Amino acid sequence: DTGVSQDPRHKITKRGQNVTFRCDPISEHNRLYWYRQTLGQGPEFLTYFQNEAQLEKSRLLSDRFSAERPKGSFSTLEIQRTEQGDSAMYLCASSPKETQYFGPGTRLLVL
Amino acid sequence: GNSVTQMEGPVTLSEEAFLTINCTYTATGYPSLFWYVQYPGEGLQLLLKATKADDKGSNKGFEATYRKETTSFHLEKGSVQVSDSAVYFCALTLSGGYQKVTFGTGTKLQVIP
Repeated sequence: DTGVSQDPRHKITKRGQNVTFRCDPISEHNRLYWYRQTLGQGPEFLTYFQNEAQLEKSRLLSDRFSAERPKGSFSTLEIQRTEQGDSAMYLCASSPKETQYFGPGTRLLVL
Repeated sequence: GNSVTQMEGPVTLSEEAFLTINCTYTATGYPSLFWYVQYPGEGLQLLLKATKADDKGSNKGFEATYRKETTSFHLEKGSVQVSDSAVYFCALTLSGGYQKVTFGTGTKLQVIP
């Protein structure tokens, strides 16, 4: 399978704990995006990487959130001191140009 | 700013019925337009796209035409199947530079036998 992969697929955590998600993009894609999707809504943009450089962060990305893409390959999204409002599906996408290809997402539930 | 408005669901149709899901957009530039589909328990899949005015995107019997004059990109299918039951998202990106996707809120389609 050469699509975008994400790990884990599901995560349940207690409020206040830190969580980290991983995204492996399609290998030849230099652009990588993170989105958040809450129930009944469309995905909302969080942040964007071109190669290893993080070029934009949405105002939705509070200081508890941090994303990295070392060496321009896989990416991680960390949420510190999780809150119940962080419960959502976190989607990763990659693209060579304008069309983005999405991974299956990581569903986070904060208790 | 950029935004996408699509008809609210859920839409319930009988198998073999004609489907239309309306989508209109507002964009500061000249967007590319997309329809994504999300099947239950799965991630988003690109269904079709159009990158300039009057282009028609098509895939799996679905079609949508980029209408610049009405800023619309309505999704149509002549005969839906039970397997088409999913949530459909209309979306846009702006050309040039990086392109974050702006999504509509999604329209849930349920096809009954």
